[in-house]
Amino acid sequence: GQNIDQPTEMTATEGAIVQINCTYQTSGFNGLFWYQQHAGEAPTFLSYNVLDGLEEKGRFSSFLSRSKGYSYLLLKELQMKDSASYLCAVRDNYGQNFVFGPGTRLSVLP
Amino acid sequence: DAMVIQNPRYQVTQFGKPVTLSCSQTLNHNVMYWYQQKSSQAPKLLFHYYDKDFNNEADTPDNFQSRRPNTSFCFLDIRSPGLGDAAMYLCATSREGVAGAGETQYFGPGTRLLVL
Repeated sequence: GQNIDQPTEMTATEGAIVQINCTYQTSGFNGLFWYQQHAGEAPTFLSYNVLDGLEEKGRFSSFLSRSKGYSYLLLKELQMKDSASYLCAVRDNYGQNFVFGPGTRLSVLP
Repeated sequence: DAMVIQNPRYQVTQFGKPVTLSCSQTLNHNVMYWYQQKSSQAPKLLFHYYDKDFNNEADTPDNFQSRRPNTSFCFLDIRSPGLGDAAMYLCATSREGVAGAGETQYFGPGTRLLVL
């Protein structure tokens, strides 16, 4: 079966660092993606991991451990505009199917 | 500059009245997806096209159909909308190579469907 877990909600303070975790159990694996979604808008791509390790993109970093079925998204120097839902998605072996986690709603407080 | 376009952004229909949502893309991607997303939930894949090959998710109701007349366009037809079909409908595209390595998905802005 396909199962992806993320915390439902998180709160952090402007300027701080926050880590959003994602664990997955899927029948296949061909990459893990993180998306940001503001309320009422479409998801936008943030980062992609297919090999173990850390990928850094400015204020955002994503880590993957395939043996543990685990990833995290790290957001540094939080800004108010980072308040959004963050979706973890796994692409399966066939490369076409993306399975989404439930999303983590992040609230950044002043 | 819009790459994945969905029209309309908001659609109101009546219970049981057929409705069609449209999606077009300028990326020339070979895979197109339709997702249903309800409030505070993850996007749920309804079906996708790999080129002309249609792939239906097992739990997608028969009430939902799709057409892809060419590479650029894809339509979602809801034959008899129920109140439970009110949701955001997201279209996405991706480019898949022969080995299936591919890239990320690109999402359109979504169509919010309201059923009265």
